[in-house]
Amino acid sequence: GQQLNQSPQSMFIQEGEDVSMNCTSSSIFNTWLWYKQDPGEGPVLLIALYKAGELTSNGRLTAQFGITRKDSFLNISASIPSDVGIYFCAGMNYGGSQGNLIFGKGTKLSVKP
Amino acid sequence: NAGVTQTPKFRVLKTGQSMTLLCAQDMNHEYMYWYRQDPGMGLRLIHYSVGEGTTAKGEVPDGYNVSRLKKQNFLLGLESAAPSQTSVYFCASNLRGLGYTFGSGTRLTVV
Repeated sequence: GQQLNQSPQSMFIQEGEDVSMNCTSSSIFNTWLWYKQDPGEGPVLLIALYKAGELTSNGRLTAQFGITRKDSFLNISASIPSDVGIYFCAGMNYGGSQGNLIFGKGTKLSVKP
Repeated sequence: NAGVTQTPKFRVLKTGQSMTLLCAQDMNHEYMYWYRQDPGMGLRLIHYSVGEGTTAKGEVPDGYNVSRLKKQNFLLGLESAAPSQTSVYFCASNLRGLGYTFGSGTRLTVV
């Protein structure tokens, strides 16, 4: 089946640093989503990407849908303590089976104050 | 507040017991999902529903059953709980495949 490889698995950075994480897939998606999960909560959608090559920003977050449709990355600029959490990428083929939102295994972000 | 509500938030079961997890959404979403989240595994789809009265299997359906008798509710049942079903369960809903909204989770421990 489809698999997403998300890296890195964890990051421990200084406040103010920029962060990059990415996802690669063994197959093509037509939609890429990035979620953040805080402890004890469900994932919350950060950014949705619907077109190959699309670059979308949400405040300090920027995400891109790779040209090959098999990858996506998320950048966080000038990290702050509230950025702590687990970030998940997810791929979907909208228009096909409505159950096939495939998640990466997550990137755990820790920030030193 | 509009959104996805899961009950209960925590539960401890003995092996072999049964229980039902309830998910309710008030956004008039057609599609609903049950995921489980285990350490280092991300979220894996158990079952899903594309409308009232319909259900389908996801990636890890064994040991679970679901029902969607009303559009706003999606129930996840465990008929005979096993320790391997210790996990955090998340319900999600969306409108025709766009913008999933997740509940805050149910933490289940089977002893």
